[in-house]
Amino acid sequence: GAVVSQHPSWVICKSGTSVKIECRSLDFQATTMFWYRQFPKQSLMLMATSNEGSKATYEQGVEKDKFLINHASLTLSTLTVTSAHPEDSSFYICSPDPPTGGATEAFFGQGTRLTVV
Amino acid sequence: AQSVAQPEDQVNVAEGNPLTVKCTYSVSGNPYLFWYVQYPNRGLQFLLKYITGDNLVKGSYGFEAEFNKSQTSFHLKKPSALVSDSALYFCAVRDINQAGTALIFGKGTTLSVSS
Repeated sequence: GAVVSQHPSWVICKSGTSVKIECRSLDFQATTMFWYRQFPKQSLMLMATSNEGSKATYEQGVEKDKFLINHASLTLSTLTVTSAHPEDSSFYICSPDPPTGGATEAFFGQGTRLTVV
Repeated sequence: AQSVAQPEDQVNVAEGNPLTVKCTYSVSGNPYLFWYVQYPNRGLQFLLKYITGDNLVKGSYGFEAEFNKSQTSFHLKKPSALVSDSALYFCAVRDINQAGTALIFGKGTTLSVSS
């Protein structure tokens, strides 16, 4: 399957600081990147859809000023959690949208475990 | 609206026995259906998909799934479970008329295989 590189795998930060998560699509150019959040033993919830060269689209209830998304190139998207608080602790996963259409399976980064203390 | 239901939070089976993880879906058009597996603190790994054609789909690690349009189901099966199959399993759907949109996931089912 396609290789998606997501860094860091885990991060611990102090409350009030910001954390940047990088996601790289190594096998194909991704015009669109999906960012998900997952709480323990729960499903993936779509947070936002980033599009190269334009503003991200956020799902209802997701604060765009807290979760800054930048889609700098066709292979790199970043999610920055600003002024993090303990309730932002979660598992964040990225998934580039394959250019070959909806029948193609999605591929996912290995995820980032964020713990805010 | 698209949705996926996995009615079981947990499925417990003994090693060597067959396993089934249930999934039903709802889409306005025809579906693309997927199964993924997730190990602790890892991303999702693709197992198999149904796009069109034969209703019985075979995938990785001996898993298979059967698409049933009348029951809007796509249950995951394996004839003989292994302890290493213990993980969190997700069913996902995408409407074929909505390419470029994110997959919609079920809540997940934890599979526990005992030795």
